[in-house]
Amino acid sequence: DSGVTQTPKHLITATGQRVTLRCSPRSGDLSVYWYQQSLDQGLQFLIQYYNGEERAKGNILERFSAQQFPDLHSELNLSSLELGDSALYFCASSKRGASGGLTDTQYFGPGTRLTVL
Amino acid sequence: KNQVEQSPQSLIILEGKNCTLQCNYTVSPFSNLRWYKQDTGRGPVSLTIMTFSENTKSNGRYTATLDADTKQSSLHITASQLSDSASYICVVSEDSNYQLIWGAGTKLIIKP
Repeated sequence: DSGVTQTPKHLITATGQRVTLRCSPRSGDLSVYWYQQSLDQGLQFLIQYYNGEERAKGNILERFSAQQFPDLHSELNLSSLELGDSALYFCASSKRGASGGLTDTQYFGPGTRLTVL
Repeated sequence: KNQVEQSPQSLIILEGKNCTLQCNYTVSPFSNLRWYKQDTGRGPVSLTIMTFSENTKSNGRYTATLDADTKQSSLHITASQLSDSASYICVVSEDSNYQLIWGAGTKLIIKP
């Protein structure tokens, strides 16, 4: 158990809908990262927050947005869902950061499996 | 363009044998390089983290090496076990804008 929690575990929805994925980082961790992993593909970095502020942006679609709240939990909002958005969405956390000169270990949650029908 | 390339794409070896996975990168400026193990359907788990000045790091039966001059890293697994079956992912950190560049991974299968 990494200490990172994600809810829900599974989500099944229809095209065009909007969903919210939630992540609670490990106690004391200030950075949260979101990743997308499609079937049999590598992880795609979406976005990183540090202490409530956006720090780095990867290949995140405009239909997707995220935020980190004062209690440090984070939410990833996916809207106008398409079939191709079906994937595992992982959240990870670290104390300060894993890049930009920082070498903190990233701890990954169990993921949310999103299925768009 | 910042890229991380891993080879081979997949590898099958017998239990008890050793193997070496490769990672080449073009990320600049370089901050650090990480190896992760990902079991199917689960989140990656960090194995090693190496900075520019480190050229080898071990974690049990896993030993990572880094040559920052040639921009190459390897992950050596000794005396493989069935539980080593997983994808192994190389990730390089870019120093100026907090980007983590992920490789596509090597899928390792250990057969009894």
